[in-house]
Amino acid sequence: GESVGLHLPTLSVQEGDNSIINCAYSNSASDYFIWYKQESGKGPQFIIDIRSNMDKRQGQRVTVLLNKTVKHLSLQIAATQPGDSAVYFCAEICPNNNDMRFGAGTRLTVKP
Amino acid sequence: DARVTQTPRDKVTEMGQEVTMRCQPILGHNTVFWYRQTMMQGLELLAYFRNRAPLDDSGMPKDRFSAEMPDATLATLKIQPSEPRDSAVYFCASGLAGSAGELFFGEGSRLTVL
Repeated sequence: GESVGLHLPTLSVQEGDNSIINCAYSNSASDYFIWYKQESGKGPQFIIDIRSNMDKRQGQRVTVLLNKTVKHLSLQIAATQPGDSAVYFCAEICPNNNDMRFGAGTRLTVKP
Repeated sequence: DARVTQTPRDKVTEMGQEVTMRCQPILGHNTVFWYRQTMMQGLELLAYFRNRAPLDDSGMPKDRFSAEMPDATLATLKIQPSEPRDSAVYFCASGLAGSAGELFFGEGSRLTVL
């Protein structure tokens, strides 16, 4: 029968194209955000972070954009490669208690 | 190559049994997090320690779960008694409080309760 569970948003892109993964966060008091990548069978790995006093931060092939007005975060991956295929999570940190909460995740599939 | 080490990697047990998962944080890190990952709920925060003191364990079912840090090199997550709904992958992560906030995750402990 059909399984009921967390239906991850999925994004399928062609190798070489740019990818944009979106995330809505919940706590307007959160002041620090991180993107993590999780490959199958592994723990999440840090990609890039951004503080709430910034709206854009760039890394190697990745850019994070933050829109505090609508509580939205995005991760842009340039020239997506097959090795980028993974589940991507955004995480928010609230200054009140410093714990880190994760979003539901987006599965990125890169077609060769 | 510093990394967070978790044991066991895989555990299959029967309902009612006690399960203990262990985590060795990266040397020098003073924050430790326990997360549970399932298809239904995604990544859920269970407990969070700073300098070995529990800061937040509100995400943890208190009646059967307990988390401790006997020393700075060991964090434990215990389930007693285990139930089938506890089946999940349990991740430990460590970091440095007051730094960039980046957490380093272990490879996870996959628990199956029959």
